[in-house]
Amino acid sequence: DVKVTQSSRYLVKRTGEKVFLECVQDMDHENMFWYRQDPGLGLRLIYFSYDVKMKEKGDIPEGYSVSREKKERFSLILESASTNQTSMYLCASILDLNQPQHFGDGTRLSIL
Amino acid sequence: AQSVAQPEDQVNVAEGNPLTVKCTYSVSGNPYLFWYVQYPNRGLQFLLKYITGDNLVKGSYGFEAEFNKSQTSFHLKKPSALVSDSALYFCAVRALTNTGFQKLVFGTGTRLLVSP
Repeated sequence: DVKVTQSSRYLVKRTGEKVFLECVQDMDHENMFWYRQDPGLGLRLIYFSYDVKMKEKGDIPEGYSVSREKKERFSLILESASTNQTSMYLCASILDLNQPQHFGDGTRLSIL
Repeated sequence: AQSVAQPEDQVNVAEGNPLTVKCTYSVSGNPYLFWYVQYPNRGLQFLLKYITGDNLVKGSYGFEAEFNKSQTSFHLKKPSALVSDSALYFCAVRALTNTGFQKLVFGTGTRLLVSP
């Protein structure tokens, strides 16, 4: 069974800090995704990666960057955290884009 | 525009009654549609998908969904609701990014509350 692991369930940071959210999958999937989930807005795609060192902007990339140095790990970076980035962040991976995405349990990030 | 609409923020149903969670979509070409469920403090879990074939799709935990091309709808259904079905449900459609990559577009979610 596919396992997608997000390193932190809860995280509290201060405005202006550089924040790293980590995601690891164990099924050799090529495609990985970062979403943020906000009440009333559903899931919105921040960035995705279809191969090592490859990345594409999603629908709301502003204020974020990503890193994928190894196939199993996809990191989301908040360059300078702001309060409007307080949210639930979800990572997902997939081998074939016709198949369902596998999600981690999420990181609830609070920026104070 | 590529989009998914879930018109109901919340659906309330009594245990044992049938349930329907509504979803309509807008996408060019043939739609690839998905339903996911989210329990508290967890990620999304896949329930079912429609790619092609029969309009009635069966999925996990007794759920099914009916694809209706003329109404551009993909409603989630279950004949007899359980209290344990209470959760947040998301409909999603596969779409293309500006650069031609595939992505999922999600609806805003519908909270299902099943009362004993």
